[in-house]
Amino acid sequence: QVQLVESGGGVVQPGRSLRLSCVASGFTFSSYAMQWVRQAPGRGLEWVAVISYDAGGQYYVDSVKGRFTISRDNSKNTVFLQINSLRPDDTGVYYCAKGGDDFWNLDYWGQGTLVTVSS
Amino acid sequence: QSALTQPASVSGSPGQSITISCTGTSSDVGSYNYVSWYQQHPGKAPKLMIYNVSNRPSGVSNRFSGSKSGNTASLTISGLQAEDEADYYCSSYTDSSTVVFGGGTKLTVL
Repeated sequence: QVQLVESGGGVVQPGRSLRLSCVASGFTFSSYAMQWVRQAPGRGLEWVAVISYDAGGQYYVDSVKGRFTISRDNSKNTVFLQINSLRPDDTGVYYCAKGGDDFWNLDYWGQGTLVTVSS
Repeated sequence: QSALTQPASVSGSPGQSITISCTGTSSDVGSYNYVSWYQQHPGKAPKLMIYNVSNRPSGVSNRFSGSKSGNTASLTISGLQAEDEADYYCSSYTDSSTVVFGGGTKLTVL
């Protein structure tokens, strides 16, 4: 069965950096786009970024361009999210999600990792 | 990349049907049949319920159905059950090759 396990969250000071990881299993990782979605406490879902199956393309929501970088290592079935210059409004649960046959359909999700930006 | 517009809340009694709307623009919902719907119970990860406007993934009840007209997509849940009480989010592919979510709708089963 498909499993997505995120890690790397925690409490971090504003301005610092963090790298989130998501290890996938149960499917051919190198064949599917992967993405990150975040959810601030008590708020709705916000799509963050997507990376194509072969890392040939990455797209981001405007609000994180220049600060976030999505990458993947197909040899390790892992997708990453590098977050720089963290701000308090980056606080929330970050979910890793697998794209379906069409990447915009997120057919499997991880349990999320909590990032708290606070001094 | 403005969020799609959903009602903040809807409610219905067991056995009834409800519909949740999701309004976008000609840059997303109106131009593509690429609307998805997700169910999220408190403290849990979202679950894909409908993809590409009206398709149900394997294992999702046929009480859930989707449609679209112009810039507005809709999710209908028939035969409401207590377990359907959750937050529901729509999303759409956009002409920037990104995805945009709606603000979410809280469904209460009375």
